[in-house]
Formats: sequence, C-alpha cells, structure tokens
Amino acid sequence: AQSVTQLDSHVSVSEGTPVLLRCNYSSSYSPSLFWYVQHPNKGLQLLLKYTSAATLVKGINGFEAEFKKSETSFHLTKPSAHMSDAAEYFCVVSESWNAGNMLTFGGGTRLMVKP
Amino acid sequence: DGGITQSPKYLFRKEGQNVTLSCEQNLNHDAMYWYRQDPGQGLRLIYYSQIVNDFQKGDIAEGYSVSREKKESFPLTVTSAQKNPTAFYLCASSIKGFDAIGNTIYFGEGSWLTVV
Repeated sequence: AQSVTQLDSHVSVSEGTPVLLRCNYSSSYSPSLFWYVQHPNKGLQLLLKYTSAATLVKGINGFEAEFKKSETSFHLTKPSAHMSDAAEYFCVVSESWNAGNMLTFGGGTRLMVKP
Repeated sequence: DGGITQSPKYLFRKEGQNVTLSCEQNLNHDAMYWYRQDPGQGLRLIYYSQIVNDFQKGDIAEGYSVSREKKESFPLTVTSAQKNPTAFYLCASSIKGFDAIGNTIYFGEGSWLTVV
C-alpha cells in the first residue's frame, strides 16, 4: 500500500526567503510523484512530477523537487518566495500495481508568505 | 481554450434532495475522475471512469452516482443517501487511466456544495 505524509500543515516564510515543503512517501513499487498547488477556491494545478528520470525535477514558477529514494522523500523547494506563492500545496504519489495505479494525496501544506 | 469546466461553482442543497454537478472536458481525455475535498484535508476519490460507458467506485462512493455516456462529460449526482455532502468537489481528467505510470491528472476549478 502507498501513503504520503506532508510533514507540515502550515509553513510561513518572508517574501524573498527560501521555501521548503516536506513530503515523505511509502510505496511498495517504483512510484511516480507529483506536486500540485491550489489557490483559494480553485482547482489543483500541476507544479512538477517525477517519473523515474532525473531525480531533480524542475517545475513551473521556479519550484523544484528532489526525489531521494534512500530517504523516501520528495521535498519541494524554491529559492525565493513571492507573495503569489501563498497557496495550498499537495504532494501526490502514484504507483503501478497489477490492476492499475492509483493516486494518493497528502494532507496538504498551506504556505503563507509575509511581506 | 482547452480545459475542464465544472458547474455550478456554488450549489445549495436542501435535506433529502439529489443534486447533480456537471463536468465537461474538451481535452479529448479518456479518463475522468471526481474527488471530494473537505476543508484542511487532502482529496478523496469518489468515482472514476477510464472509458465511455464504464466507471468504477473510488474510496468514498457511497451516496454518489455517476454516468459516462459521452467521452467529454462525467456528471456527479450527490444523492440524499450522502449524509454529509457539504464539501468542495473537484472533477479531473487524464489522457489515460490509472494503468498508465506517471499519468498526469488535470483538474477543473471545483464546485462548492452546501447543505442548507
């Protein structure tokens, strides 16, 4: 069975400082991993995804994530936060199995950016 | 523009009523999904469909029903059997279904359902 844990429900940073949103997963197989962002009352937008190619994945809006199999982590980072980055972020794991492959969502991390 | 359109954005339901949320996509995607999101929580899968005229229950299908008569449409009915329907509902689609590794799912803007 697969699971995903977002270690912080809320993260607060100042504008211009680095962002780190932490995600750990468990999976019996080689997983695919995603980060989505959700602005208030909006749908989810894909930031980036990992599918067993390069372990450092670059996404939109300056975000990137590194897949670390030994640590079962897929943390999301950005060098410098912008006010528009304030949103909810979801880490998602997808693994293949005999009958298909299903998505499991983390509980989300709310990022707040202070001026 | 291509995308996923959900309607209505806000819907109020009286006790004992059935309501239907619309989801239409013009991305030519085979697979479509309905998720429920409760405040401060992640998403839970209600139903999904990988092909026209076929659909499967997700993790929380009780009290919901769907149909997939056309490739581009996947309406969700919240029935009176759903005891706690107040939530944010998200429709999504993807090129392939759950059997595709690394398959990217695209989401609509969501619909708020409130029981009054």
